[in-house]
Amino acid sequence: RKEVEQDPGPFNVPEGATVAFNCTYSNSASQSFFWYRQDCRKEPKLLMSVYSSGNEDGRFTAQLNRASQYISLLIRDSKLSDSATYLCVVLHSGAGSYQLTFGKGTKLSVIP
Amino acid sequence: DTGVSQNPRHKITKRGQNVTFRCDPISEHNRLYWYRQTLGQGPEFLTYFQNEAQLEKSRLLSDRFSAERPKGSFSTLEIQRTEQGDSAMYLCASRFPRDDEQFFGPGTRLTVL
Repeated sequence: RKEVEQDPGPFNVPEGATVAFNCTYSNSASQSFFWYRQDCRKEPKLLMSVYSSGNEDGRFTAQLNRASQYISLLIRDSKLSDSATYLCVVLHSGAGSYQLTFGKGTKLSVIP
Repeated sequence: DTGVSQNPRHKITKRGQNVTFRCDPISEHNRLYWYRQTLGQGPEFLTYFQNEAQLEKSRLLSDRFSAERPKGSFSTLEIQRTEQGDSAMYLCASRFPRDDEQFFGPGTRLTVL
């Protein structure tokens, strides 16, 4: 089982749609969770951190369920500019270790 | 300082040659990371520096790979005797000690012919 698994893409949605991405992780000792966004041929950039209480940033809502080892990202009112690959990322740190593990990413295309 | 920079941006080499990539992190960031990304995959961790100390290496980092950060500022990643399977995007990232966010550079795209 892969450490971080995401919905296989691509997701093709019309402008204005709501889209949800799911992610599961295998290491129950993971401490922090993130969604990164990666545009085509560009570097990944942090979209938002994910907290157990859930957090929202404008049209984006992230949720974490530690018991189920599940992370989600909801995008409301999709814009053309949301088209990108969304990477689910899990942090595990310990003595001398600080490692981010990335999922394969889910590609989103928002269509006019 | 506008962010993490990497050089070169593209490198084409023949199998068996050695290549070296450079990463300049954001100046206040003492943590530096190297990742490899192939098409359709997320970035895969290679190695991690805290200042000049290399604290962690992935099993992906075979003995043909070596990374250094001699003065705790810029870092180099060298691949010796390149193989076609080394073709990938090599990404560098840095972070401030108290923050979790890693800032990525634009990457070096390596093509081994």
